[in-house]
Amino acid sequence: QKEVEQDPGPLSVPEGAIVSLNCTYSNSAFQYFMWYRQYSRKGPELLMYTYSSGNKEDGRFTAQVDKSSKYISLFIRDSQPSDSATYLCAMTNTNAGKSTFGDGTTLTVKP
Amino acid sequence: GAGVSQSPSNKVTEKGKDVELRCDPISGHTALYWYRQSLGQGLEFLIYFQGNSAPDKSGLPSDRFSAERTGGSVSTLTIQRTQQEDSAVYLCASSFRSDTQYFGPGTRLTVL
Repeated sequence: QKEVEQDPGPLSVPEGAIVSLNCTYSNSAFQYFMWYRQYSRKGPELLMYTYSSGNKEDGRFTAQVDKSSKYISLFIRDSQPSDSATYLCAMTNTNAGKSTFGDGTTLTVKP
Repeated sequence: GAGVSQSPSNKVTEKGKDVELRCDPISGHTALYWYRQSLGQGLEFLIYFQGNSAPDKSGLPSDRFSAERTGGSVSTLTIQRTQQEDSAVYLCASSFRSDTQYFGPGTRLTVL
């Protein structure tokens, strides 16, 4: 079983929809949780970063962490065609340098 | 400012040849990471450098893979005697802290 599980999708939604992307994990030592966006043939870019449990909002994006359930989410409001990409969750503990990534969810937002 | 750069952007090689992939991290970033991403897959951790500490090589898939980081900056990932299963995008990332990483555009390696 992988340390981080992410539904690969693909996920297709109409423009303006609310999108929910999720990851579960098994390592309770994880403290930092990140979401990356990766466009086709590009490197991942950091989208959201949260520490421990709670919510963090940035424009149309909200990251949510529930450490008790070992579950994290990324919500995208008013989705746009430009949001079409692969979204990768990642997490790390405070003492390890490397992050563990999910396999990514491919999202398509149709005009 | 300048981001992480990688070269070459594309590399086509024949099975059995050696290849070298280069990564230039963001200036001042002490940590550097190499990942591999196969088609439609997530990121597979390969190796991690942090300052002057011994690198974490736990993700290297075989002894054909090696990496070095000179002067705490530029890094080279070397794959010896390439195999077709080595075909993938090789991504480099750097960070100032160990949590948030900034990725380069990757090197797309094709082994014929």
